[in-house]
Amino acid sequence: GENVEQHPSTLSVQEGDSAVIKCTYSDSASNYFPWYKQELGKRPQLIIDIRSNVGEKKDQRIAVTLNKTAKHFSLHITETQPEDSAVYFCAETKGGGNKLTFGTGTQLKVEL
Amino acid sequence: GAVVSQHPSWVICKSGTSVKIECRSLDFQATTMFWYRQFPKQSLMLMATSNEGSKATYEQGVEKDKFLINHASLTLSTLTVTSAHPEDSSFYICSVTGTGSYEQYFGPGTRLTVT
Repeated sequence: GENVEQHPSTLSVQEGDSAVIKCTYSDSASNYFPWYKQELGKRPQLIIDIRSNVGEKKDQRIAVTLNKTAKHFSLHITETQPEDSAVYFCAETKGGGNKLTFGTGTQLKVEL
Repeated sequence: GAVVSQHPSWVICKSGTSVKIECRSLDFQATTMFWYRQFPKQSLMLMATSNEGSKATYEQGVEKDKFLINHASLTLSTLTVTSAHPEDSSFYICSVTGTGSYEQYFGPGTRLTVT
């Protein structure tokens, strides 16, 4: 299959709380998993990515975990701030290729 | 990362006319460029992949005769929407990548409205 399932579709958190978004893929050959942040009307911005040979990667308040056995990967944002409010997309590429398949997106709202 | 521009940033055209969108990689030799379409509140959907000097490869369901892609150099790809209809109204985004690279660098997008 070609799909990447992403949940939840909307997520509302209080400032300072953590946010977790999860994606599930179906192809065991998938080997690259980026996460993008997209603000309204703007281009997607890469915020973190992980390769299939790594289980976890962290960059300040953002982390990504990958479970190859279960075929899912998650984005973790800690100490959320209002400027984290945006739509977040996961994506994957199949082994040997560089075409991205995107998840359906998560609208994150960080409330004061 | 690469700096990618798109022109125009927005365009309004009448039904039945054609529109050309340019994607330029300003500081990066883009061996591969991708074109995506994004409808409001939806995800990015890959339309086609173009390699410099080769014909584009279109995704299933994308009409190659309607969405003409030219990738004549390592820094420029164009997407022409021919005989545009209101249902073609969308946000069109290009991205570039280099040989052997996974990371894609996105353009700022072009908002097309067909009246």
